[in-house]
Amino acid sequence: RKEVEQDPGPFNVPEGATVAFNCTYSNSASQSFFWYRQDCRKEPKLLMSVYSSGNEDGRFTAQLNRASQYISLLIRDSKLSDSATYLCVVIRSNYQLIWGAGTKLIIKP
Amino acid sequence: NAGVTQTPKFRVLKTGQSMTLLCAQDMNHEYMYWYRQDPGMGLRLIHYSVGEGTTAKGKVPDGYNVSRLKKQNFLLGLESAAPSQTSVYFCASSYLAGGADTQYFGPGTRLTVL
Repeated sequence: RKEVEQDPGPFNVPEGATVAFNCTYSNSASQSFFWYRQDCRKEPKLLMSVYSSGNEDGRFTAQLNRASQYISLLIRDSKLSDSATYLCVVIRSNYQLIWGAGTKLIIKP
Repeated sequence: NAGVTQTPKFRVLKTGQSMTLLCAQDMNHEYMYWYRQDPGMGLRLIHYSVGEGTTAKGKVPDGYNVSRLKKQNFLLGLESAAPSQTSVYFCASSYLAGGADTQYFGPGTRLTVL
């Protein structure tokens, strides 16, 4: 079993819809969590950190569920420009960064 | 501000050839990283550096060497390339240690080893 797992998708979603996907991790000692966005053939860019209390940034909401060992990303009112691959990264300790393989999202007009 | 730059952007090597990938950052970050990204797999950390003159192994260091002679540069070397090293290589840098804050990535180097 992979240490960090994501549904590869693709998630095909109509513009304006709400979409959510999860990232599960196996090591309960994991300390920090982030979502990155990666456009096709481009570098990853930080989307948002994931805090224990959950956090929101505009249309994006990230949540952490330590009991079930997953983080989630919710996108409301999806835009065509949200089409990308979303990567989660779990940090166990300094320099133990474990990346998920990503979830591909396609927003359709 | 250029951020993080990588050269070259593309490269094709034959098995056994050597090459060096250059990463440069202008954000005065102490921490720099080299990753490889393969289809269906997450980014995997090859080597990292916590400051000028220091390097350390990541999760998949075999077949690679690195050097950080200047704070702004982090070099990744392949001494004898193998087809298994065909991948996209990303360099990243961060202000805080251990990836605990934003990592800024370069545009990547697409390497094919024949």
